Amino acid sequence: AQSVTQPDIHITVSEGASLELRCNYSYGATPYLFWYVQSPGQGLQLLLKYFSGDTLVQGIKGFEAEFKRSQSSFNLRKPSVHWSDAAEYFCAVGAFGNEKLTFGTGTRLTIIP
Amino acid sequence: GAVVSQHPSRVICKSGTSVKIECRSLDFQATTMFWYRQFPKQSLMLMATSNEGSKATYEQGVEKDKFLINHASLTLSTLTVTSAHPEDSSFYICSAMLGYNPYEQYFGPGTRLTVT
Repeated sequence: AQSVTQPDIHITVSEGASLELRCNYSYGATPYLFWYVQSPGQGLQLLLKYFSGDTLVQGIKGFEAEFKRSQSSFNLRKPSVHWSDAAEYFCAVGAFGNEKLTFGTGTRLTIIP
Repeated sequence: GAVVSQHPSRVICKSGTSVKIECRSLDFQATTMFWYRQFPKQSLMLMATSNEGSKATYEQGVEKDKFLINHASLTLSTLTVTSAHPEDSSFYICSAMLGYNPYEQYFGPGTRLTVT
């Protein structure tokens, strides 16, 4: 069965600083990987996705993520965060032939001035 | 593109009554939609998979008689919480699947249900 681990429950970053949110997955074959962002009281917005090909994926709002098969990781990065990036971030994994997504427990991002 | 709406965004109902939540894919057809439940500060828990024209598939532990799902068209799925109780209060989120292998899910904005 597939699973996702987001080791950081809460991260605080200064505005303008760089950001990296960690995501580790467990799956036997090549996974489909997603990062979603959720603002308070809102649904999830897709930031980026990886299916195959280039392991460095660019997303919306200046985010990127890198798929590292050897480390079973798909970490989310942003070079300079903005106060509006404060939200909950979820990593999710899917797979060929399995329409369901498995979500991590989320990382709450706080931005300080 | 790939916009999913939910209605209502918030609903308050009395214990023992039923409430219906609608999920619509606005600019694409979705043969498969999903219903999730999210407790405060927790991740999404998949409740059921809804396929157009067929019965929904419920996850283990989810009462199908309590959470009625209907997917009557390619753009609309409904979740009805029957005989609601305070413990059913939660944030309900739907998603619609776009594409096949790989699958992409696009999420609605969620519905906050409060049962008094």
